[in-house]
Amino acid sequence: DAKTTQPPSMDCAEGRAANLPCNHSTISGNEYVYWYRQIHSQGPQYIIHGLKNNETNEMASLIITEDRKSSTLILPHATLRDTAVYYCIVGYSGGGADGLTFGKGTHLIIQP
Amino acid sequence: DVKVTQSSRYLVKRTGEKVFLECVQDMDHENMFWYRQDPGLGLRLIYFSYDVKMKEKGDIPEGYSVSREKKERFSLILESASTNQTSMYLCATQGLAYNEQFFGPGTRLTVL
Repeated sequence: DAKTTQPPSMDCAEGRAANLPCNHSTISGNEYVYWYRQIHSQGPQYIIHGLKNNETNEMASLIITEDRKSSTLILPHATLRDTAVYYCIVGYSGGGADGLTFGKGTHLIIQP
Repeated sequence: DVKVTQSSRYLVKRTGEKVFLECVQDMDHENMFWYRQDPGLGLRLIYFSYDVKMKEKGDIPEGYSVSREKKERFSLILESASTNQTSMYLCATQGLAYNEQFFGPGTRLTVL
């Protein structure tokens, strides 16, 4: 069973910030939060990950609450190409050969 | 950039045939994974490998086997294909220095 809960779908206007929530109330102290996305007919693509602190890269920002029970992925200026299914996953850091447990994700639709 | 290639994007086979799905990566990653993706079920881990000739069962290994004779290549084998193995198959790799997994484009297999 997936250890995260996400809304099944969200809409966002092009050019606006898209804020995707994720609940992970059973996360353990050394588990990371990972975000991936999957554009139709392609393999999943890594976006960002974090442990406790907020993180930012060229694709997105990740805000993790202080109690680590939830997080938000922010796409600051959404474009039509950001339409995809976004997966929030908790897991251990790299090196270990652990498969990722993908839930159903959030289908983000960017409206023109 | 990490490149993960899969031998076919689309494949049609008949029930009872032996099917080979190949995955090749060019980044010298230690860990490789095979997932299948079905509507409503998300991604499920079939097998993974953390080294040449090493393999571990994932969540749904029944009906599948794998082979990893060289570091860069991880093959998924359906010994006797059945219609319930019709699915999208995704290969992924992960290096010891990385937290994220890199996915191939997927192979959509149809078993008639």
